[in-house]
Amino acid sequence: GEDVEQSLFLSVREGDSSVINCTYTDSSSTYLYWYKQEPGAGLQLLTYIFSNMDMKQDQRLTVLLNKKDKHLSLRIADTQTGDSAIYFCADNWGATNKLIFGTGTLLAVQP
Amino acid sequence: SAVISQKPSRDICQRGTSLTIQCQVDSQVTMMFWYRQQPGQSLTLIATANQGSEATYESGFVIDKFPISRPNLTFSTLTVSNMSPEDSSIYLCSVVPGTGPLTEAFFGQGTRLTVV
Repeated sequence: GEDVEQSLFLSVREGDSSVINCTYTDSSSTYLYWYKQEPGAGLQLLTYIFSNMDMKQDQRLTVLLNKKDKHLSLRIADTQTGDSAIYFCADNWGATNKLIFGTGTLLAVQP
Repeated sequence: SAVISQKPSRDICQRGTSLTIQCQVDSQVTMMFWYRQQPGQSLTLIATANQGSEATYESGFVIDKFPISRPNLTFSTLTVSNMSPEDSSIYLCSVVPGTGPLTEAFFGQGTRLTVV
């Protein structure tokens, strides 16, 4: 089955850039997503990228996709303490409407 | 977009009992899904809630344990039956508005279930 992997933890200082990485195995995914989960809250869609794109920028967020290596990254510029959360990447497995989630990366922003 | 209301937001239940979780959407949606997030883990898809027919379950999940209803395009319920402490998780409802290719899935706030 599909496997989506992320590093478990990332710590950055406020104002620095954060880069969260994700690898996946399903080459038929058409969309890849980044979700944010704050403590005690549901999931918030941050951004998504279509599989035929290399890059997508949305304000402080930049998504890079290397389809050949099946590698996805999320860069957060000027990271703030409010960005502290768990970030999940996900893909739509087999180009269906089912989302397969990564293991999640806990981002800790130090003031 | 879609606004999703899940009830209850949290509950503490005795083992052997059942809990029904409700998911209400503010607009008609084609696709509705139920996910489970066990403590400290990622989300796992339980099933696709199909309107007017039986839900489609993922491997490892069965209808007897997680019966699902989807009476219309704005509402679904998930029941966690005969609960054990291993069922302690966050259960999330997700919807995909529209009928085209998946571009955006919205999630409810989740139901935090603790089984004692």
